[in-house]
Amino acid sequence: AQKITQTQPGMFVQEKEAVTLDCTYDTSDPSYGLFWYKQPSSGEMIFLIYQGSYDQQNATEGRYSLNFQKARKSANLVISASQLGDSAMYFCAMREGDGGYQKVTFGTGTKLQVIP
Amino acid sequence: DVKVTQSSRYLVKRTGEKVFLECVQDMDHENMFWYRQDPGLGLRLIYFSYDVKMKEKGDIPEGYSVSREKKERFSLILESASTNQTSMYLCASRAGGPLSGANVLTFGAGSRLTVL
Repeated sequence: AQKITQTQPGMFVQEKEAVTLDCTYDTSDPSYGLFWYKQPSSGEMIFLIYQGSYDQQNATEGRYSLNFQKARKSANLVISASQLGDSAMYFCAMREGDGGYQKVTFGTGTKLQVIP
Repeated sequence: DVKVTQSSRYLVKRTGEKVFLECVQDMDHENMFWYRQDPGLGLRLIYFSYDVKMKEKGDIPEGYSVSREKKERFSLILESASTNQTSMYLCASRAGGPLSGANVLTFGAGSRLTVL
């Protein structure tokens, strides 16, 4: 079964608008974390934001925020004031386990295109 | 200052050949990962390691093996390459241990393997 589900293969957003990229996850581990990465056409993987399962507040990093709804097992990425440079693939990932044994799995990604 | 180095950016191999993909990190990270990235499928975890000589199967280990004899090096081995192993292979590392939940993955540039 898919542990990380990203249901939007592609999305368009107008420049300067906000956009939400969906991510749902499945785990029985009480200690886990959710990451979002950006992959531009150059191929590098760029870390954007992290949310731990025990974090009380939703994570924010500049124009990125994570809408974490634990009961619904969702961790959506919100990008405010989209810019042309935000056009890229976006991957949601989940870390399971603690201490030494930690596994990180990724979703299938969402391709975001920002329209001028 | 490259921190995760994958030995080959592009490789072309023939069906049945044994293939070695090497990954070296200079950050003294405990955790290392091998993923393959295919369009529409995202990043899929092949194997990961949380310590020297320790290895764990990921979601798609069939047809692959790994070796971690030294902390800084994590090798992916295709014992007998097949055409369905044509893909982009990404290596990543991450600091582990206690209180490491938020530690991010650092990725290499990737190795694009074509099996003819």
